[in-house]
Amino acid sequence: KAGVTQTPRYLIKTRGQQVTLSCSPISGHRSVSWYQQTPGQGLQFLFEYFSETQRNKGNFPGRFSGRQFSNSRSEMNVSTLELGDSALYLCASSRSGGPHTYEQYFGPGTRLTVT
Amino acid sequence: GQQVMQIPQYQHVQEGEDFTTYCNSSTTLSNIQWYKQRPGGHPVFLIQLVKSGEVKKQKRLTFQFGEAKKNSSLHITATQTTDVGTYFCAGPRSGTYKYIFGTGTRLKVLA
Repeated sequence: KAGVTQTPRYLIKTRGQQVTLSCSPISGHRSVSWYQQTPGQGLQFLFEYFSETQRNKGNFPGRFSGRQFSNSRSEMNVSTLELGDSALYLCASSRSGGPHTYEQYFGPGTRLTVT
Repeated sequence: GQQVMQIPQYQHVQEGEDFTTYCNSSTTLSNIQWYKQRPGGHPVFLIQLVKSGEVKKQKRLTFQFGEAKKNSSLHITATQTTDVGTYFCAGPRSGTYKYIFGTGTRLKVLA
């Protein structure tokens, strides 16, 4: 079974621009979560989608948004980029929405650098 | 808000020594998961614990979930250089599918 894929793997953007990151979950997985990882803040939850609906959202500003398509693929968008948005963005998929079976499989991440 | 703390933050051990990382949540968790992230890699799921007092073993790794379901530990016996990485615990915020990751423990194994 193919793992979680994320594109692009690396991205360099300028302050004020916007960016869209893509995630393809493991086949059959309907839940997709997004995380931001930085050395200072660790792994922070952005949002989670299940069957095209956002079920949970973390404490990030409205510049961070996402969506999920009918094939479970997901995208996240960051508008008006700031220097502090430089991070590794990780996507994780899960086969179940039930909390007791919610093991997450992470993709390789997208390394975003904002200059 | 809910917090999940891990100690220690860093640990350097000689190869062959044991290692333990502790995870403490400010609230009760329905379950807890452990992940390992190698340098330059992404988190990889290790195990999930659900029951109070549960203990699970994976070869040299022993995982424990506290009786009150607010803490957990990961113990590695006789560390090897392949154990290098950052170990995270993660628990769901009560009633949600929002996982709060611990601060992580970075393990370095000296050969």
